[in-house]
Amino acid sequence: DVKVTQSSRYLVKRTGEKVFLECVQDMDHENMFWYRQDPGLGLRLIYFSYDVKMKEKGDIPEGYSVSREKKERFSLILESASTNQTSMYLCASSFSLAGGRYEQYFGPGTRLTVT
Amino acid sequence: GQSLEQPSEVTAVEGAIVQINCTYQTSGFYGLSWYQQHDGGAPTFLSYNALDGLEETGRFSSFLSRSDSYGYLLLQELQMKDSASYFCAVSGGYQKVTFGTGTKLQVIP
Repeated sequence: DVKVTQSSRYLVKRTGEKVFLECVQDMDHENMFWYRQDPGLGLRLIYFSYDVKMKEKGDIPEGYSVSREKKERFSLILESASTNQTSMYLCASSFSLAGGRYEQYFGPGTRLTVT
Repeated sequence: GQSLEQPSEVTAVEGAIVQINCTYQTSGFYGLSWYQQHDGGAPTFLSYNALDGLEETGRFSSFLSRSDSYGYLLLQELQMKDSASYFCAVSGGYQKVTFGTGTKLQVIP
């Protein structure tokens, strides 16, 4: 069974704090992704990585950075948390396949509240 | 860039059939996927269409028309457990998937 785990289900942080969200997958997937999910806005891609130490900006990278030192682990970093980063954060992973069938497997999500 | 449009909410009766539509505009397109997400849960993959036509998987079917930039998800014999949000998603380059804003399906008795 594919498993994607995230370090916390719920997190409360103060404005200005540095926040680390961790994601681990056990399927040897090449690709890993970070999304945020907000009501009415769907899933928006923050960053993704297609290989160790490689990263690409998604659609909303401002205020975030990522790190991928090992294939199974992908971290999302909020350098200085702000209240508009309060959201549900979802990690996903997938194999690199030709033809577009990029079936993604999601973790359970981290609900981050910044006060 | 990519943009997708799908209805925000749909209500249907248990046992009935419901169709959730999705239109997309994209600069690069490999195929259209559908994901299901129950409240409080993670999205899970349902189907993928790369070619025009209908793909059937049990009670769920998915359709794609590349020329119309349009697809739909068809759910038959609706059950209460089908109440969830459904997202269409386009596959573009670089292994990326761009998701729509989701359709919340409510199944009523």
